[in-house]
Amino acid sequence: AQSVTQPDIHITVSEGASLELRCNYSYGATPYLFWYVQSPGQGLQLLLKYFSGDTLVQGIKGFEAEFKRSQSSFNLRKPSVHWSDAAEYFCAVGTGTASKLTFGTGTRLQVTL
Amino acid sequence: DTGVSQDPRHKITKRGQNVTFRCDPISEHNRLYWYRQTLGQGPEFLTYFQNEAQLEKSRLLSDRFSAERPKGSFSTLEIQRTEQGDSAMYLCASSNLSGQYFGPGTRLTVL
Repeated sequence: AQSVTQPDIHITVSEGASLELRCNYSYGATPYLFWYVQSPGQGLQLLLKYFSGDTLVQGIKGFEAEFKRSQSSFNLRKPSVHWSDAAEYFCAVGTGTASKLTFGTGTRLQVTL
Repeated sequence: DTGVSQDPRHKITKRGQNVTFRCDPISEHNRLYWYRQTLGQGPEFLTYFQNEAQLEKSRLLSDRFSAERPKGSFSTLEIQRTEQGDSAMYLCASSNLSGQYFGPGTRLTVL
């Protein structure tokens, strides 16, 4: 069975600083990887996904993520954080493009002005 | 494309009552999923449909839970004899081949 670990429960960054959120997965075959963002009381918004091909994927809102098979990681990055990026971020793994997803426990991002 | 919608957004009920939630997926998506999310956790898979067929159910889905998608469009999730442990956010998602898109969720509080 697949699993996802997000080692950082809570991260605080200053507005304008760079951001990296960590995600490690466990899955025996080629994973399908996703990052979602959730604002308080809201559903999840898909930021980006990796299915195959180029290991650096671009998403919405200026986010990108890099798939590293050797490290079983799919870390999310943003060069310059905006106050509106404060939210909870979830990494997820699936077994196909439309399979059920297994989520990590999330990383809460706080942005200081 | 109006996105995935869920109704109601909030539900407060007393222990032992039955509740039903509705999900309307994005119209051209043939897969529909239900997840449950408790405070401080990521969503956990409950069940999914391809068109009207329910293809998989999680062990989390006890006998008190039932889901339907009768015409392959909207879906309902019913919880019978609710317990306080059922308090959670219930999320619905639909998908094409480019990923799952989530609705705003139904927050259930069981008193």
